[in-house]
Amino acid sequence: DAKTTQPPSMDCAEGRAANLPCNHSTISGNEYVYWYRQIHSQGPQYIIHGLKNNETNEMASLIITEDRKSSTLILPHATLRDTAVYYCIVRPYGSGNTGKLIFGQGTTLQVKP
Amino acid sequence: DADVTQTPRNRITKTGKRIMLECSQTKGHDRMYWYRQDPGLGLRLIYYSFDVKDINKGEISDGYSVSRQAQAKFSLSLESAIPNQTALYFCATSVRGTVQETQYFGPGTRLLVL
Repeated sequence: DAKTTQPPSMDCAEGRAANLPCNHSTISGNEYVYWYRQIHSQGPQYIIHGLKNNETNEMASLIITEDRKSSTLILPHATLRDTAVYYCIVRPYGSGNTGKLIFGQGTTLQVKP
Repeated sequence: DADVTQTPRNRITKTGKRIMLECSQTKGHDRMYWYRQDPGLGLRLIYYSFDVKDINKGEISDGYSVSRQAQAKFSLSLESAIPNQTALYFCATSVRGTVQETQYFGPGTRLLVL
């Protein structure tokens, strides 16, 4: 699975957009980008995933660059409850998908009042 | 997620003891996983199972064994616990065949080996 690089920590003001970057320069054509988050030692929670198009759901938006070498997770109006560690993961789909998630160290997002 | 439960939630044991961590799910998923998390680090995969008869080693399987007693149950055993197995352990489940194949995690078991 491709390696991802994320900043270790970020701050965001409550109510503002939080933009979390991820570099995955060695991503392969059959690999998706997934985002999970972990709130204070709870089990990780799925947020969103994408292949090459931008994606949006009720939790967040995912912007993937045209060359697919990087992406940004956007929380449009961050709240204190969004304080968590955010993990960017790339994983193949199809015959190469074993279902496994390879977690890096993630980005600790601190949302401040 | 209440659909994935882990027991016990906390456990203190002594070096050399055998312990078992249990995971049960009511989601009807075929795939189950065991991860461990050390302080300040991401999760690392210990074992995973695609169905009752298909069990695979993950990144860090040494010192651990697993049993998939039924589709809904996946147990992790430490045959002879050692202090560096002190960690937070998570079970997860997923359904094969979907693009997103979201993994659903249990609440975790905090294990301390003295």
